[in-house]
Amino acid sequence: GAGVSQSPSNKVTEKGKDVELRCDPISGHTALYWYRQSLGQGLEFLIYFQGNSAPDKSGLPSDRFSAERTGGSVSTLTIQRTQQEDSAVYLCASSWAAGTGETQYFGPGTRLLVL
Amino acid sequence: EDQVTQSPEALRLQEGESSSLNCSYTVSGLRGLFWYRQDPGKGPEFLFTLYSAGEEKEKERLKATLTKKESFLHITAPKPEDSATYLCAVQAEGSGNTGKLIFGQGTTLQVKP
Repeated sequence: GAGVSQSPSNKVTEKGKDVELRCDPISGHTALYWYRQSLGQGLEFLIYFQGNSAPDKSGLPSDRFSAERTGGSVSTLTIQRTQQEDSAVYLCASSWAAGTGETQYFGPGTRLLVL
Repeated sequence: EDQVTQSPEALRLQEGESSSLNCSYTVSGLRGLFWYRQDPGKGPEFLFTLYSAGEEKEKERLKATLTKKESFLHITAPKPEDSATYLCAVQAEGSGNTGKLIFGQGTTLQVKP
């Protein structure tokens, strides 16, 4: 079946502009995660959605970052007033459930470059 | 603080030369330990999930094992196509219901023909 899809695959933007990154999880998966992978850094957790519950935003690095999940499926990560340090690969993952040792399946990522 | 450390950072092997990658972890309680493979420019690809000490899982030339403090990814008679970055991650009981993963820095494996 189809895996996790993300768009765009690459995004180049100018400092100060807003960007939107999209994630389409595996059909039927209720949990959705966003992670960031910076050059030379490991993957770091950003935000988590589970069904209609309030998201866990504890990993968001600043209030310029926000995310929403519409209809329990597609998610959009928005970065406002981008900074050069936001340049990274943004990865989305989904799983059947959350917090029970369920495997998370990752998308191909969106490579963001802020000039 | 929950933490994951992988070693070595980089590993070069000749084709057919078996070796092991290490993942040491410190968590308040382990819900699961995950191994992923990541090729350049791609997202992590799931390999294994281990839940309790003593558990082992195998897939082709790869075998993952788990103790209370670490996990090993054993690669037997590797081939050049096994070249990739291998990521280890844990899901801790302290993560509440979110299930967020804590990742190590990864081991970059290069297998030369």
